[in-house]
Amino acid sequence: GESVGLHLPTLSVQEGDNSIINCAYSNSASDYFIWYKQESGKGPQFIIDIRSNMDKRQGQRVTVLLNKTVKHLSLQIAATQPGDSAVYFCAESPLVRAQKLVFGQGTRLTINP
Amino acid sequence: GAVVSQHPSRVICKSGTSVKIECRSLDFQATTMFWYRQFPKQSLMLMATSNEGSKATYEQGVEKDKFLINHASLTLSTLTVTSAHPEDSSFYICSALPRETQYFGPGTRLLVL
Repeated sequence: GESVGLHLPTLSVQEGDNSIINCAYSNSASDYFIWYKQESGKGPQFIIDIRSNMDKRQGQRVTVLLNKTVKHLSLQIAATQPGDSAVYFCAESPLVRAQKLVFGQGTRLTINP
Repeated sequence: GAVVSQHPSRVICKSGTSVKIECRSLDFQATTMFWYRQFPKQSLMLMATSNEGSKATYEQGVEKDKFLINHASLTLSTLTVTSAHPEDSSFYICSALPRETQYFGPGTRLLVL
């Protein structure tokens, strides 16, 4: 059930600014990382992925950075728009193929007009 | 491509009854599907891995006799919550693995009264 006192980390940014969402992962053996966006009442939507042999990957308006030394993953969203408001989850997998995903706690991104 | 659907989107049932949730891959075949549960303001927790033509693999702490999974075809997996109780109320989400990355369904909101 729901843990008492648990709250989702939040990030508020101005529309048009860049957003950076951070994630610390736990398993140094993880080989594949994914960022998902989840809007209220919906399933997670794939944003971008990166393998452990890379440290940066770019998509449309999004960039994922991977620092294996400190087990840190970040998602950068350029020119944030109102439609970017959602909860963002990082997920890790020990395999290149995303079996047995382990999700992070999530970050709620709020866009201020 | 890689569209996953779920049915129903929401269901309300009485305590003690059973509820079946369907997960379909619409434009690809999926030998492996996954079932997750998500409580409010929390992350996704993997319940089980559904394998076409064989028994599902359950995560630790998930009762296999309570959460029955059937993956009878390459496009359909079902999750049946048996003898549901109010504590089973949650958001149930399935995913499928067309290639390297899991794609998620829209989720099913279950409320047990």
